[in-house]
Amino acid sequence: NAGVTQTPKFQVLKTGQSMTLQCAQDMNHNSMYWYRQDPGMGLRLIYYSASEGTTDKGEVPNGYNVSRLNKREFSLRLESAAPSQTSVYFCASTPTAATYKQYFGPGTRLTVT
Amino acid sequence: QKEVEQNSGPLSVPEGAIASLNCTYSDRGSQSFFWYRQYSGKSPELIMSIYSNGDKEDGRFTAQLNKASQYVSLLIRDSQPSDSATYLCAVNLQGAQKLVFGQGTRLTINP
Repeated sequence: NAGVTQTPKFQVLKTGQSMTLQCAQDMNHNSMYWYRQDPGMGLRLIYYSASEGTTDKGEVPNGYNVSRLNKREFSLRLESAAPSQTSVYFCASTPTAATYKQYFGPGTRLTVT
Repeated sequence: QKEVEQNSGPLSVPEGAIASLNCTYSDRGSQSFFWYRQYSGKSPELIMSIYSNGDKEDGRFTAQLNKASQYVSLLIRDSQPSDSATYLCAVNLQGAQKLVFGQGTRLTINP
Protein backbone atom coordinates (compact mmCIF):
# COMPACT_ATOMS: atom_id res chain seq x y z
CA ASN A 1 0.00 0.00 0.00
CA ALA A 2 1.30 3.42 -0.95
CA GLY A 3 -0.96 5.18 1.58
CA VAL A 4 -1.51 8.79 0.58
CA THR A 5 0.36 10.07 -2.45
CA GLN A 6 0.68 13.63 -3.70
CA THR A 7 1.96 15.09 -6.94
CA PRO A 8 3.98 17.09 -7.65
CA LYS A 9 6.50 17.22 -4.79
CA PHE A 10 7.76 20.67 -5.75
CA GLN A 11 6.35 23.40 -7.99
CA VAL A 12 7.26 26.98 -8.86
CA LEU A 13 4.55 29.15 -10.38
CA LYS A 14 4.43 32.72 -11.56
CA THR A 15 1.72 34.99 -10.19
CA GLY A 16 -1.51 34.44 -12.09
CA GLN A 17 -0.71 30.93 -13.30
CA SER A 18 -2.99 28.04 -12.44
CA MET A 19 -2.25 24.52 -11.35
CA THR A 20 -3.83 21.45 -9.78
CA LEU A 21 -2.35 19.50 -6.89
CA GLN A 22 -3.24 15.83 -7.01
CA CYS A 23 -3.88 13.53 -4.05
CA ALA A 24 -4.77 9.86 -4.01
CA GLN A 25 -5.17 7.27 -1.28
CA ASP A 26 -5.37 3.49 -1.56
CA MET A 27 -6.72 2.76 1.92
CA ASN A 28 -10.41 2.90 0.96
CA HIS A 29 -10.88 5.94 3.19
CA ASN A 30 -14.05 7.97 2.95
CA SER A 31 -12.78 11.36 4.12
CA MET A 32 -10.04 13.48 2.61
CA TYR A 33 -8.52 16.83 3.52
CA TRP A 34 -6.28 19.56 2.12
CA TYR A 35 -4.11 21.62 4.47
CA ARG A 36 -1.51 24.29 4.02
CA GLN A 37 1.39 24.80 6.40
CA ASP A 38 3.24 28.07 6.77
CA PRO A 39 6.08 28.73 9.22
CA GLY A 40 4.74 29.18 12.74
CA MET A 41 1.15 28.62 11.64
CA GLY A 42 0.62 24.92 12.13
CA LEU A 43 -1.72 23.20 9.70
CA ARG A 44 -4.69 25.15 8.38
CA LEU A 45 -7.57 23.37 6.69
CA ILE A 46 -8.38 24.57 3.18
CA TYR A 47 -11.15 22.19 2.10
CA TYR A 48 -12.29 18.74 3.05
CA SER A 49 -14.50 15.99 1.72
CA ALA A 50 -16.25 14.00 4.42
CA SER A 51 -17.40 11.45 1.86
CA GLU A 52 -17.41 10.93 -1.88
CA GLY A 53 -19.64 13.51 -3.51
CA THR A 54 -19.35 16.14 -0.76
CA THR A 55 -16.90 18.96 -0.21
CA ASP A 56 -16.82 21.70 2.42
CA LYS A 57 -14.79 24.80 3.11
CA GLY A 58 -12.25 24.83 5.87
CA GLU A 59 -10.51 27.71 7.57
CA VAL A 60 -8.72 29.24 4.54
CA PRO A 61 -10.63 28.37 1.31
CA ASN A 62 -10.22 31.63 -0.59
CA GLY A 63 -8.28 31.26 -3.84
CA TYR A 64 -8.75 27.48 -3.99
CA ASN A 65 -11.18 24.98 -5.44
CA VAL A 66 -11.39 21.25 -4.94
CA SER A 67 -12.77 18.22 -6.71
CA ARG A 68 -13.48 14.85 -5.17
CA LEU A 69 -13.00 12.93 -8.38
CA ASN A 70 -13.85 9.54 -6.86
CA LYS A 71 -13.34 7.82 -3.55
CA ARG A 72 -9.57 7.64 -4.06
CA GLU A 73 -8.75 11.07 -5.44
CA PHE A 74 -9.12 14.61 -4.13
CA SER A 75 -7.56 17.46 -6.09
CA LEU A 76 -6.84 21.07 -5.14
CA ARG A 77 -6.82 23.77 -7.79
CA LEU A 78 -5.29 27.22 -7.70
CA GLU A 79 -6.97 29.22 -10.46
CA SER A 80 -4.77 32.32 -10.28
CA ALA A 81 -1.79 31.80 -8.02
CA ALA A 82 -0.66 34.58 -5.68
CA PRO A 83 2.57 34.91 -3.66
CA SER A 84 0.47 34.51 -0.49
CA GLN A 85 -0.20 30.93 -1.61
CA THR A 86 3.46 30.02 -1.26
CA SER A 87 3.30 27.19 1.25
CA VAL A 88 3.62 23.47 1.84
CA TYR A 89 0.40 21.65 1.00
CA PHE A 90 -0.56 18.39 2.68
CA CYS A 91 -3.32 16.03 1.75
CA ALA A 92 -4.70 13.68 4.41
CA SER A 93 -7.30 10.96 4.64
CA THR A 94 -9.18 9.18 7.38
CA PRO A 95 -11.49 6.13 7.29
CA THR A 96 -14.56 8.19 8.13
CA ALA A 97 -15.11 11.74 9.27
CA ALA A 98 -15.87 10.32 12.71
CA THR A 99 -12.47 8.65 13.10
CA TYR A 100 -9.85 11.27 13.38
CA LYS A 101 -6.55 9.49 12.95
CA GLN A 102 -5.48 11.28 9.82
CA TYR A 103 -2.94 9.79 7.43
CA PHE A 104 -0.85 12.41 5.66
CA GLY A 105 0.76 12.48 2.25
CA PRO A 106 4.38 13.64 1.81
CA GLY A 107 3.43 17.20 0.89
CA THR A 108 3.86 19.56 -2.06
CA ARG A 109 6.15 22.55 -1.67
CA LEU A 110 4.74 25.38 -3.78
CA THR A 111 6.47 28.68 -4.48
CA VAL A 112 4.67 31.51 -6.25
CA THR A 113 6.90 34.29 -7.56
CA GLN B 1 -8.67 33.63 21.00
CA LYS B 2 -7.39 30.87 18.76
CA GLU B 3 -9.31 27.63 18.91
CA VAL B 4 -6.18 25.59 19.69
CA GLU B 5 -3.08 27.22 21.14
CA GLN B 6 0.41 25.96 21.77
CA ASN B 7 3.62 27.65 22.82
CA SER B 8 5.60 27.72 19.58
CA GLY B 9 8.91 27.38 21.43
CA PRO B 10 11.57 26.48 20.71
CA LEU B 11 11.68 24.23 23.75
CA SER B 12 15.12 22.91 24.60
CA VAL B 13 15.49 19.89 26.89
CA PRO B 14 18.61 17.91 27.84
CA GLU B 15 18.82 14.29 26.80
CA GLY B 16 17.29 11.96 29.37
CA ALA B 17 15.04 14.62 30.89
CA ILE B 18 11.25 14.92 30.65
CA ALA B 19 9.89 17.15 27.89
CA SER B 20 6.51 18.72 28.64
CA LEU B 21 4.37 20.12 25.84
CA ASN B 22 1.12 21.95 26.46
CA CYS B 23 -1.97 22.80 24.45
CA THR B 24 -5.15 24.70 25.32
CA TYR B 25 -8.41 24.72 23.39
CA SER B 26 -11.44 26.97 23.39
CA ASP B 27 -14.37 24.64 22.67
CA ARG B 28 -15.65 23.04 25.87
CA GLY B 29 -17.53 20.43 23.86
CA SER B 30 -14.42 19.00 22.20
CA GLN B 31 -14.19 15.24 22.56
CA SER B 32 -11.08 14.03 20.75
CA PHE B 33 -7.49 15.18 21.16
CA PHE B 34 -4.37 14.21 19.26
CA TRP B 35 -0.64 14.75 19.26
CA TYR B 36 1.24 14.61 15.97
CA ARG B 37 5.00 14.65 15.54
CA GLN B 38 6.51 16.30 12.49
CA TYR B 39 10.18 16.02 11.59
CA SER B 40 11.65 18.83 9.53
CA GLY B 41 10.64 18.50 5.89
CA LYS B 42 8.32 15.56 6.60
CA SER B 43 4.60 15.09 7.05
CA PRO B 44 2.90 14.84 10.46
CA GLU B 45 2.47 11.43 12.05
CA LEU B 46 0.09 10.57 14.86
CA ILE B 47 1.77 9.57 18.12
CA MET B 48 -1.00 9.83 20.71
CA SER B 49 -4.76 10.19 20.95
CA ILE B 50 -6.81 10.77 24.09
CA TYR B 51 -10.54 10.99 24.61
CA SER B 52 -11.22 11.02 28.35
CA ASN B 53 -9.88 12.91 31.34
CA GLY B 54 -6.69 11.64 32.90
CA ASP B 55 -3.47 10.12 31.63
CA LYS B 56 -2.80 7.79 28.75
CA GLU B 57 0.62 6.18 28.48
CA ASP B 58 2.32 4.64 25.46
CA GLY B 59 5.95 3.78 25.96
CA ARG B 60 7.87 6.95 26.76
CA PHE B 61 4.89 9.14 25.85
CA THR B 62 2.07 10.19 28.20
CA ALA B 63 -0.87 12.29 27.11
CA GLN B 64 -2.82 14.13 29.79
CA LEU B 65 -6.28 15.60 29.36
CA ASN B 66 -8.12 17.99 31.64
CA LYS B 67 -11.45 18.97 30.09
CA ALA B 68 -12.45 21.24 32.97
CA SER B 69 -9.37 23.38 32.40
CA GLN B 70 -9.43 22.81 28.65
CA TYR B 71 -5.88 21.69 28.25
CA VAL B 72 -4.09 18.68 26.94
CA SER B 73 -0.41 17.94 27.42
CA LEU B 74 2.22 15.54 26.17
CA LEU B 75 5.08 14.29 28.33
CA ILE B 76 8.09 12.60 26.80
CA ARG B 77 10.18 10.70 29.35
CA ASP B 78 13.85 9.88 28.88
CA SER B 79 14.04 12.32 25.96
CA GLN B 80 16.24 11.27 23.06
CA PRO B 81 17.81 13.40 20.30
CA SER B 82 15.50 11.55 17.90
CA ASP B 83 12.56 13.21 19.68
CA SER B 84 13.66 16.57 18.28
CA ALA B 85 10.75 17.63 16.08
CA THR B 86 7.73 19.89 15.98
CA TYR B 87 4.78 18.59 17.97
CA LEU B 88 1.30 19.52 16.81
CA CYS B 89 -1.76 19.41 19.02
CA ALA B 90 -5.04 18.73 17.20
CA VAL B 91 -8.58 18.91 18.51
CA ASN B 92 -11.87 17.75 17.08
CA LEU B 93 -14.27 20.58 17.80
CA GLN B 94 -17.75 19.61 18.89
CA GLY B 95 -19.93 18.52 15.99
CA ALA B 96 -17.22 19.10 13.39
CA GLN B 97 -15.98 16.52 10.90
CA LYS B 98 -12.49 17.91 10.97
CA LEU B 99 -9.53 18.67 13.20
CA VAL B 100 -8.16 22.03 14.24
CA PHE B 101 -4.40 22.14 14.72
CA GLY B 102 -2.34 24.32 16.98
CA GLN B 103 0.66 26.13 15.58
CA GLY B 104 3.06 23.49 16.89
CA THR B 105 5.88 23.47 19.43
CA ARG B 106 9.42 22.97 18.19
CA LEU B 107 11.29 20.67 20.57
CA THR B 108 15.05 20.23 20.61
CA ILE B 109 16.72 17.52 22.71
CA ASN B 110 20.32 18.39 23.49
CA PRO B 111 22.80 15.49 23.84
